Amino acid sequence: AQSVTQLGSHVSVSEGALVLLRCNYSSSVPPYLFWYVQYPNQGLQLLLKYTSAATLVKGINGFEAEFKKSETSFHLTKPSAHMSDAAEYFCAVSEKRSQGNLIFGKGTKLSVKP
Amino acid sequence: KAGVTQTPRYLIKTRGQQVTLSCSPISGHRSVSWYQQTPGQGLQFLFEYFSETQRNKGNFPGRFSGRQFSNSRSEMNVSTLELGDSALYLCASSSDRPRNTEAFFGQGTRLTVV
Repeated sequence: AQSVTQLGSHVSVSEGALVLLRCNYSSSVPPYLFWYVQYPNQGLQLLLKYTSAATLVKGINGFEAEFKKSETSFHLTKPSAHMSDAAEYFCAVSEKRSQGNLIFGKGTKLSVKP
Repeated sequence: KAGVTQTPRYLIKTRGQQVTLSCSPISGHRSVSWYQQTPGQGLQFLFEYFSETQRNKGNFPGRFSGRQFSNSRSEMNVSTLELGDSALYLCASSSDRPRNTEAFFGQGTRLTVV
């Protein structure tokens, strides 16, 4: 069975600092991996996805993630945090390229201090 | 292009009642998925419909059911409501085309069971 573990339910960084949100997955088949962001009282927005092409994936808003098979990780990074990045971030895995059946991690709430 | 529309946005029901939630996908999308989001369990997959057929199902009791119409609109029904069914219910639609499988989420329906 697939699963996703996000380390740290809350992460706080200063504006301009590096953002690192951790995600480890478990999958018996080559996975498709995704990062989503959720702002208060909103749905989820796709930040980026890994679908077995390049292992370093660039997404929207300056975020990127690196797929490391040996570490079963897909950590999300951004070089310089902005106040508008404050939100909750979810890592998700799917056995299929289609995103109709996603298994989500518990989420990491990112706070950005001025 | 209109996004995914979920109605209603907020709902208050009494224990034992039943409820129907509606989701209108993005025009041209044939896949509709439903998720339940709670503070304790996070985001959990309920089911996915594709061309009026249930394609995948999560681990929820039979009180949770859904359907999809020929125009791809989907409804989700919960019967005999329990307090624990209070949650944000999110719908996502995708095109299912090989190169364009991003799932777009609606803003959700917040259900409160009292």
